Amino acid sequence: DAGITQSPRHKVTETGTPVTLRCHQTENHRYMYWYRQDPGHGLRLIHYSYGVKDTDKGEVSDGYSVSRSKTEDFLLTLESATSSQTSVYFCAISEGADTIYFGEGSWLTVV
Amino acid sequence: GDSVTQMEGPVTLSEEAFLTINCTYTATGYPSLFWYVQYPGEGLQLLLKATKADDKGSNKGFEATYRKETTSFHLEKGSVQVSDSAVYFCALRGIKAAGNKLTFGGGTRVLVKP
Repeated sequence: DAGITQSPRHKVTETGTPVTLRCHQTENHRYMYWYRQDPGHGLRLIHYSYGVKDTDKGEVSDGYSVSRSKTEDFLLTLESATSSQTSVYFCAISEGADTIYFGEGSWLTVV
Repeated sequence: GDSVTQMEGPVTLSEEAFLTINCTYTATGYPSLFWYVQYPGEGLQLLLKATKADDKGSNKGFEATYRKETTSFHLEKGSVQVSDSAVYFCALRGIKAAGNKLTFGGGTRVLVKP
C-alpha cells in the first residue's frame, strides 16, 4: 500500500465553520491531489500540487484552498463549510506520469 | 476537454457470471487509460492500465483493451466472485493533463450475489 495517511477520517461540522483535512505521504512523491467523490460524479479534482508551495486549481476548486509547505504534507481547507461540501475527500499522490495512488478517504458531513 | 463516460449501475450478477463494464472516452491524441476499483469503505486501488492503442491491461482476472478506433476501454471478467463486489471507475490521463491528473467516469457499482 502507498504510504498515504489522511486525517481526520471522519468529521461532522457545522455550516460556516472552517475545516482542514490533512494528507501525509511517506513516498516522497512530487505530485499530490485532492479529489472529492460524490454519487454520479465519480471523482472530481479540487486542487493539486506539483511541488512545495506549487499548487493549482482543479475543476471544482471554489470554496477550497490548499497549502503544501513540506513535500510530505498537503492540506485542504474549507474556509466556511457549506452543506454542498458534504462529501468523501480523497488524497492521492504520484511521481510524474506514473500511477496515481489514493488514500483511504475522509468522510466530511456539514450540518 | 477530456471526459470519460461509463455505464451506470448498479450491475447485479450471480457468481461465475461474465462481467462487462463499458467505458468510452473523449480526449485528444492517445491518453493513458485506467481502471480503478473501490471496495466498501476504502480508497481507490489501481486495477489495470493501458498506455497505448491496442494494449491490453490485465489483473486479477480482469481485462481491458485500449481501442482507439472506438475510443473505448471496456472492462471484462469471465467469472465473477462475490469478492468482486465493488465500485469500478474508468479514468484517463490526457496527453497534456495539467499536473498529470486523472479524469474519472462516474463509477459503476457491481454487486455479485452467491
